[in-house]
Amino acid sequence: NAGVTQTPKFRVLKTGQSMTLLCAQDMNHEYMYWYRQDPGMGLRLIHYSVGEGTTAKGEVPDGYNVSRLKKQNFLLGLESAAPSQTSVYFCASFNVWTTKYNEQFFGPGTRLTVL
Amino acid sequence: TQLLEQSPQFLSIQEGENLTVYCNSSSVFSSLQWYRQEPGEGPVLLVTVVTGGEVKKLKRLTFQFGDARKDSSLHITAAQPGDTGLYLCAGARGENYGGSQGNLIFGKGTKLSVKP
Repeated sequence: NAGVTQTPKFRVLKTGQSMTLLCAQDMNHEYMYWYRQDPGMGLRLIHYSVGEGTTAKGEVPDGYNVSRLKKQNFLLGLESAAPSQTSVYFCASFNVWTTKYNEQFFGPGTRLTVL
Repeated sequence: TQLLEQSPQFLSIQEGENLTVYCNSSSVFSSLQWYRQEPGEGPVLLVTVVTGGEVKKLKRLTFQFGDARKDSSLHITAAQPGDTGLYLCAGARGENYGGSQGNLIFGKGTKLSVKP
């Protein structure tokens, strides 16, 4: 069981470039989340998905898009990167069938720098 | 709007000391979780508390949920260097069945450093 994996681990972009962050989980979890973590700001929810083919906006969705075409994968896209999107991005998943308290499993993170 | 306030933000102590970290809110939560995050890694769940007044122990760590379910504390006895990390509290306002009520709201964290 690999748990939650994220690709890539590090990335440097120039302003205006696009990229996709991949999150994969092998635990058959229904719910998946994308967060960003900035110094002094804690974890903030970008988008989430409650199942294959569904997505919803979180607290800070602007500038990001997501897709959940397969249950095990949740993709986060940046169409035109901005320096304000420099952050560490975490993916998380949750098994809705075993607990109702949203106890999440996190990936190791992707450190993104936008110049 | 930051709904969960954690204090202190930073804590540097010597091995063997005791410490308490607080997580406070003006909002009621249906459940509250504590996570620990080590540098370069994602948060890892330590405990979930769901009942007002509940106390849970995990070895040298004691977690308490306030009677009104608006606050929580984490007490570490005889801290060790291995306890070093970022401690995050996270609350859910409701249960998670397809809606957003179960989404977690995170505090900003308490960065703990335990020196040998």
